[in-house]
Amino acid sequence: EVQLLESGGGLIQPGGSLRLSCAASGFTFSNFAMSWVRQAPGKGLDWVSTIGGPRGDDPQYANSVRGRFTISRDMSKNTVYLQMNSLRAEDTAMYYCAKEVLAGTGLKFDFWGQGILVTVSS
Amino acid sequence: EIVMTQSPATLSVSPGGGATLSCRASQTTLNKLAWYQQKPGQAPRLLIYDASTRATGIPARFTGSGFGTEFTLTISSLLSEDSAVYYCQQYIDWPVTFGQGTRLEIK
Repeated sequence: EVQLLESGGGLIQPGGSLRLSCAASGFTFSNFAMSWVRQAPGKGLDWVSTIGGPRGDDPQYANSVRGRFTISRDMSKNTVYLQMNSLRAEDTAMYYCAKEVLAGTGLKFDFWGQGILVTVSS
Repeated sequence: EIVMTQSPATLSVSPGGGATLSCRASQTTLNKLAWYQQKPGQAPRLLIYDASTRATGIPARFTGSGFGTEFTLTISSLLSEDSAVYYCQQYIDWPVTFGQGTRLEIK
């Protein structure tokens, strides 16, 4: 059974940093791209970042986070991370970790974590 | 960036009826289009990908169609459990983008 478990969220002041983690199990982690998708309170879904599957594709970032957020993964721990620096109020959202359906077929997401809340406020 | 526009914003339908949700892309996405269902307090669930392929475990009541810039999600024999927000998503190009969602109410 595929499971994605996010952690690391919380309340942080503007300008601060947080690192989110997503522990994956139930599939061959190295074979799939992993992504972060966020959802501001009462709003729609907003893709944040992706780190590639078996081809080791370069990380991709939304323009709104490029230069502030860094995605990485630890194959030995089956975990993907999102380092978030210079946080802004507009980064406040539920952050979901998501797995791609099938490597190399386009980035759609068949499994999602339960989400972790990040609140940026003074 | 490809902009995805969904309509209507809200749709209210009686149980047992049918619903048609639309999604329009600002430029062609070929068939690289997915649909998700999200219920309150839950993560999104993949319903359809490649415009018309049902994801694992999705009942045949959910049908996706379309190609290029116009796409439709049709739900038949509506159940109360189908009440949710539905999102479309294109994945032909970076950044992948979602529509703003259609809220489906069953009452």
